[in-house]
Amino acid sequence: DVKVTQSSRYLVKRTGEKVFLECVQDMDHENMFWYRQDPGLGLRLIYFSYDVKMKEKGDIPEGYSVSREKKERFSLILESASTNQTSMYLCASRYPPDGGTEAFFGQGTRLTVV
Amino acid sequence: QKEVEQNSGPLSVPEGAIASLNCTYSDRGSQSFFWYRQYSGKSPELIMSIYSNGDKEDGRFTAQLNKASQYVSLLIRDSQPSDSATYLCAVKSGGSYIPTFGRGTSLIVHP
Repeated sequence: DVKVTQSSRYLVKRTGEKVFLECVQDMDHENMFWYRQDPGLGLRLIYFSYDVKMKEKGDIPEGYSVSREKKERFSLILESASTNQTSMYLCASRYPPDGGTEAFFGQGTRLTVV
Repeated sequence: QKEVEQNSGPLSVPEGAIASLNCTYSDRGSQSFFWYRQYSGKSPELIMSIYSNGDKEDGRFTAQLNKASQYVSLLIRDSQPSDSATYLCAVKSGGSYIPTFGRGTSLIVHP
């Protein structure tokens, strides 16, 4: 079974803090994604990475950055957390780069910025 | 802009009935289609994938794809209260890394 593991299930941070959300997958997937999910807005893509050290902006990259130094790990960084970044954050991975395979999701991190 | 549209619902059906969930998409180059189920507070989990026109059945679930009409649906037979969740439709074009998700349809199965 594919396992996508996010480092925290719940997180509370203060405004202005630098926040790291970690995601690890164990199936040698090349593509990894970070989404945020808010009521009524669905899944919105923040960043994705199609391979190690490669990254592309998604639909809402402002206020976020990412790091992918190893194939299995994709980190989302909130440079200076703000209250409007309170959300459910979902990491996903898929293989191969092309083709029709589905994305597998981690369990999600519910981040609250106070 | 690639779009995937779903009725937000909620769709309410009695236990034992057939639930029909619908999804339309704008990109004619779409080649891969997925249905995810998401329970409240949980992450999406894949329940069906379909790649060619027609029906694909898996247990109580049937996915239907009509590329000419740019329409994909999910039928849930003998609906159970445990099927109550939000169902997300996702569509991917060939050569694209990124699936596009609809906003989801909330399904409520009442006893």
